[in-house]
Amino acid sequence: QQQVKQSPQSLIVQKGGISIINCAYENTAFDYFPWYQQFPGKGPALLIAIRPDVSEKKEGRFTISFNKSAKQFSLHIMDSQPGDSATYFCAAISTSGTYKYIFGTGTRLKVLA
Amino acid sequence: DADVTQTPRNRITKTGKRIMLECSQTKGHDRMYWYRQDPGLGLRLIYYSFDVKDINKGEISDGYSVSRQAQAKFSLSLESAIPNQTALYFCATSDTGTLYNEQFFGPGTRLTVL
Repeated sequence: QQQVKQSPQSLIVQKGGISIINCAYENTAFDYFPWYQQFPGKGPALLIAIRPDVSEKKEGRFTISFNKSAKQFSLHIMDSQPGDSATYFCAAISTSGTYKYIFGTGTRLKVLA
Repeated sequence: DADVTQTPRNRITKTGKRIMLECSQTKGHDRMYWYRQDPGLGLRLIYYSFDVKDINKGEISDGYSVSRQAQAKFSLSLESAIPNQTALYFCATSDTGTLYNEQFFGPGTRLTVL
């Protein structure tokens, strides 16, 4: 059962463009919503994360937008660069009760030079 | 990446064989995890351990077992491998109380079961 739905599965963006990846969740008990970035041949690494009491978080060119009522959150990559080409995973974490760390299915981003 | 190491990095085996994947970490973290990654399915949690005496099943534990030999070592076993266990396996660690429960992943083990 996939509790975090991620879209699109793949994305191609021109250099300098905006990349947008969306995730939706079902369980309202999640405490954190991180995004991980994975380059080929490597393990995922934390990119940026947000708590549900915040609607937006920005770190450099990366922004998370969070809509608690819609149970959706998204990653925006501004001024996308070829070096951003990677697979991105959203995740949702529940630390109370049964521990859960649920990843989305991933989005393969390619930024064209 | 060197803080979390996985061995072997690649393994090809046959159906019915017993396989052990090993994970070691020098980060001093209490918590360790095993995930598998499949195309189109993302990362799914197999088992996790919050300390040496704590082992918990994750989302997809059937067909797998684990052993936490020490704080720094967490191994994953496939008692009788089957082809649908062909996947990329990741070990991860995290520190208790870390902001956002950040997980640090190893480089992965690519397992093929023929």
